[in-house]
Amino acid sequence: EAGVTQSPTHLIKTRGQQVTLRCSPISGHTSVYWYQQALGLGLQFLLWYDEGEERNRGNFPPRFSGRQFPNYSSELNVNALELEDSALYLCASSSDRIPGNTIYFGEGSWLTVV
Amino acid sequence: AQTVTQSQPEMSVQEAETVTLSCTYDTSENNYYLFWYKQPPSRQMILVIRQEAYKQQNATENRFSVNFQKAAKSFSLKISDSQLGDTAMYFCAFMKPSNAGGTSYGKLTFGQGTILTVHP
Repeated sequence: EAGVTQSPTHLIKTRGQQVTLRCSPISGHTSVYWYQQALGLGLQFLLWYDEGEERNRGNFPPRFSGRQFPNYSSELNVNALELEDSALYLCASSSDRIPGNTIYFGEGSWLTVV
Repeated sequence: AQTVTQSQPEMSVQEAETVTLSCTYDTSENNYYLFWYKQPPSRQMILVIRQEAYKQQNATENRFSVNFQKAAKSFSLKISDSQLGDTAMYFCAFMKPSNAGGTSYGKLTFGQGTILTVHP
């Protein structure tokens, strides 16, 4: 069974540009989470989508947004990129139908803003 | 709000020996989940072990076991017979069940991480 898949794995953007990161959850999982792991700042919760709706949002500015599609895949969009947006962006998925609510992670998308 | 604290930034252990990583958390909830994740140099977060707060029995997964002390809000990870492949950053994480309501449910709150190095 395929795990959580993310694309692209690495990308370089210029300050002020926009970026879209993509995530496909584990089959059967309806919830998708986005986390940011910046150097020295640990893992920060960004967004949680479930059944196509945004359920929870971390303490990030509105230029961080996303959506979840009917097939439960998700996109994370970051507008007006800033240097401090350089980080590993991790997507994760889970299903409330599976006892324990365990969250499984993808391999991440490395974003470098120059 | 929940907080998770890992007080050991770095730990090291010799191959085949046992090491314990510490984690404490703060919450007013009675029902929740606790996790240990491993992040090797590849940076993928890998689930090591999980514990439901309502279960008194400590979780075990092969060489990995936890010491869950609910009253003390402590959740330590013991790695027995350490292997070179165990070298990684280890994160302790807290989560309220997604049907618990409130603004923090459904997301993981992570500790700062402990870098574990296993020496041959």
